Amino acid sequence: EAGVVQSPRYKIIEKKQPVAFWCNPISGHNTLYWYLQNLGQGPELLIRYENEEAVDDSQLPKDRFSAERLKGVDSTLKIQPAELGDSAVYLCASSWGTSTGELFFGEGSRLTVL
Amino acid sequence: SQKIEQNSEALNIQEGKTATLTCNYTNYSPAYLQWYRQDPGRGPVFLLLIRENEKEKRKERLKVTFDTTLKQSLFHITASQPADSATYLCALEDNYGQNFVFGPGTRLSVLP
Repeated sequence: EAGVVQSPRYKIIEKKQPVAFWCNPISGHNTLYWYLQNLGQGPELLIRYENEEAVDDSQLPKDRFSAERLKGVDSTLKIQPAELGDSAVYLCASSWGTSTGELFFGEGSRLTVL
Repeated sequence: SQKIEQNSEALNIQEGKTATLTCNYTNYSPAYLQWYRQDPGRGPVFLLLIRENEKEKRKERLKVTFDTTLKQSLFHITASQPADSATYLCALEDNYGQNFVFGPGTRLSVLP
């Protein structure tokens, strides 16, 4: 069974440019998460989806970040415009939908903003 | 304020010894706590989940304890091997019971 797939793995852009990350969760997983991970720190939740509904986006900087999960499967996270401080790894995870269940993470998308 | 702390940023131990990693939390009352392993350049991988009414959980060479009075979880790797070298993250249920909040991680190096 395929795991969580993310792309691109690496992205280098100049500040003020837009960038988008894509995530395909494990088949059948209702819940999808986007996390941000800075070097030497643990993942921090940006947004959580239950099917196609964003049920927790309280930590998403909505002035420049947006996300969508059309049809409750794949998801896209967008940053526009990117700032230097956005350089980090963006992790996507999915789970069966309970708050107690294990999270299955993708390999992450490493963003460098110059 | 709410806080999750994991012992020293890095821990070095000799192969064959038992590694003990700690996770302390403040102003959380989690019913569940998880441990993940993360290798460089990879996403975290789930290892174990322990519930508040479980004092101890084991899986092969791994053992996790959960003390809700001390607000602490201990993660043990017995007979450690160089292949166990990685960053280990604890994650606990937030106070709304909706999401897991991650600690900063401990980077473990097992020296041959």
